[in-house]
Amino acid sequence: KAGVTQTPRYLIKTRGQQVTLSCSPISGHRSVSWYQQTPGQGLQFLFEYFSETQRNKGNFPGRFSGRQFSNSRSEMNVSTLELGDSALYLCASMSVGTQYFGPGTRLTVL
Amino acid sequence: EDQVTQSPEALRLQEGESSSLNCSYTVSGLRGLFWYRQDPGKGPEFLFTLYSAGEEKEKERLKATLTKKESFLHITAPKPEDSATYLCAVQPRDDKIIFGKGTRLHILP
Repeated sequence: KAGVTQTPRYLIKTRGQQVTLSCSPISGHRSVSWYQQTPGQGLQFLFEYFSETQRNKGNFPGRFSGRQFSNSRSEMNVSTLELGDSALYLCASMSVGTQYFGPGTRLTVL
Repeated sequence: EDQVTQSPEALRLQEGESSSLNCSYTVSGLRGLFWYRQDPGKGPEFLFTLYSAGEEKEKERLKATLTKKESFLHITAPKPEDSATYLCAVQPRDDKIIFGKGTRLHILP
């Protein structure tokens, strides 16, 4: 089976812009979670989707949003980018209590 | 408040020198504790899931154990390729998985 894929792998944006990141889970996995990873804060949970419904949400501002499609693919959107949004954004799909992570999207905000 | 603390932050070992990494947690209703390995520039790679105190799991040179307050990742006779950041995460009753900040392990040949 193919693993979790994320696109794009690298992204450079400027403050105030918005960005959309994409994640394709492992085939058959219906749960997709998103995380932000920074050197100072480590991995922080953003949200989880299951069968197109947001099941859980972390403590991030409303500028961070996401959605899941009927084929389980997921997107996350960040509006009005700030310098502090520079991070590695990781997507994970889950099955039987185990999360499998993608390679991440490295977002740099200038 | 649910939280996870990993120690030490960094660890340097000689090849073959066994050691343990610690993950202490405070959580309301533990549903599972996870260990991951992360190499630079890559996403975390799943290692183990532990569900209840007393449980142990092994994979090659790694062994994970769980008590009611902490988990240990024991590394026996490590090799340079075991160098990575090891992450611990817990899943509390509300399902919001919480990660520790990791232990950076460096094995010297």
